[in-house]
Amino acid sequence: EIVLTQSPATLSLSPGERATLSCRASQSVSTFFAWFQQKPGQAPRLLIYDTSKRATGIPARFSGSGSGTDCALTINSVDPEDIAMYYCQQRDNPITFGQGTRLEIK
Amino acid sequence: EVQLLESGGGFIQPGGSLRLSCTASGFTLQNYGMTWVRQAPGKGLEWVSAISPSGSRTYYADSVKGRFIISRDISKNTLYLEMNSLRAEDTALYYCASGGMDVWGQGTTVTVSS
Repeated sequence: EIVLTQSPATLSLSPGERATLSCRASQSVSTFFAWFQQKPGQAPRLLIYDTSKRATGIPARFSGSGSGTDCALTINSVDPEDIAMYYCQQRDNPITFGQGTRLEIK
Repeated sequence: EVQLLESGGGFIQPGGSLRLSCTASGFTLQNYGMTWVRQAPGKGLEWVSAISPSGSRTYYADSVKGRFIISRDISKNTLYLEMNSLRAEDTALYYCASGGMDVWGQGTTVTVSS
């Protein structure tokens, strides 16, 4: 099983700043990474799939990158509505998720 | 509108069984793989099981292998998760999601406790 480690655990930024969330895999991922946003009391929402493709309806300020053992989610110009937990995921079998990064807005 | 609606959760004693359902609307399960993901209280997301678009292949996390069974009924456009030999650590909010995880239900809660 591939273990995903996300960093930082918590990210606190001011509105308009750039957020970079990192995810490292315990071994190289042969398929793809994905990123999910989860707000309190809500189901997760797919942001990025196939490592760098934005899901339908996701604003352009969200972008994904990476390959092999590392991937990242970048949020250009964070907005208060971006307050949430963010989870990375890898699609090799078995699918695994990272432990999450909490994004806070100052 | 594409929607998923889970049901079947509840309170169950350790060792018991429960069957979760996930009814799809706005699309047909026949063309899509589907997934179950769970989230223990205050914890992160854990992938549980998946079924291929053809329904011929199923996949399970090690934590549930041999105890849970994923299946579907195309005529009812419904996905199922049969959960047996339940343990306290199976307590969670269970979500069904499309194979690509771009569509999620709101979840159904399973509590395993004596």
